[in-house]
Amino acid sequence: GENVEQHPSTLSVQEGDSAVIKCTYSDSASNYFPWYKQELGKRPQLIIDIRSNVGEKKDQRIAVTLNKTAKHFSLHITETQPEDSAVYFCAARESGGSYIPTFGRGTSLIVHP
Amino acid sequence: ETGVTQTPRHLVMGMTNKKSLKCEQHLGHNAMYWYKQSAKKPLELMFVYNFKEQTENNSVPSRFSPECPNSSHLFLHLHTLQPEDSALYLCASSQQLAGTDNEQFFGPGTRLTVL
Repeated sequence: GENVEQHPSTLSVQEGDSAVIKCTYSDSASNYFPWYKQELGKRPQLIIDIRSNVGEKKDQRIAVTLNKTAKHFSLHITETQPEDSAVYFCAARESGGSYIPTFGRGTSLIVHP
Repeated sequence: ETGVTQTPRHLVMGMTNKKSLKCEQHLGHNAMYWYKQSAKKPLELMFVYNFKEQTENNSVPSRFSPECPNSSHLFLHLHTLQPEDSALYLCASSQQLAGTDNEQFFGPGTRLTVL
């Protein structure tokens, strides 16, 4: 089955800096890569996703890049703000089989004002 | 109420108790999921239902028993749990199980503590 590794587990930045979270996956057949944000005490919410026919996708201050050859994808947050502080989860979904996303362990992002 | 709701939000139970977690989705979705979220671990998929039929049981111990009476409701019945079962239990739903309408919407979770 799919295996997703996520790094770092904790990321601390100053307000205004950029933050990058990286994930690798094992199944070359995976074709859908969502990112979820979970604020403290709240539910995970989808913030951005990318499909395997696209190399990069941007939405305001967040962007996701995908390198299919290397089987890794990254979340980029620019001009970080304290409200970006949360746990971020990446996931990968296989194109065949169960279609259930496999999640990474999560990255706790702390943005210091 | 919109989205995915879960009750109760917090639950403390002894190892000999029997309790149930409830999930309801108001999105007209066809697939529903139970996840376990423990500290410093990835989200662990427990069960998947598609059109009320269970399609996945991810090697979950029998002390967890799911029930899906219709596409909008999902239950997780708990009995004789262990302290290591303490975790946040998240329910999620998606329009479809496969294909492009697979985005999962999560409920707020039930924080379970087993004494």
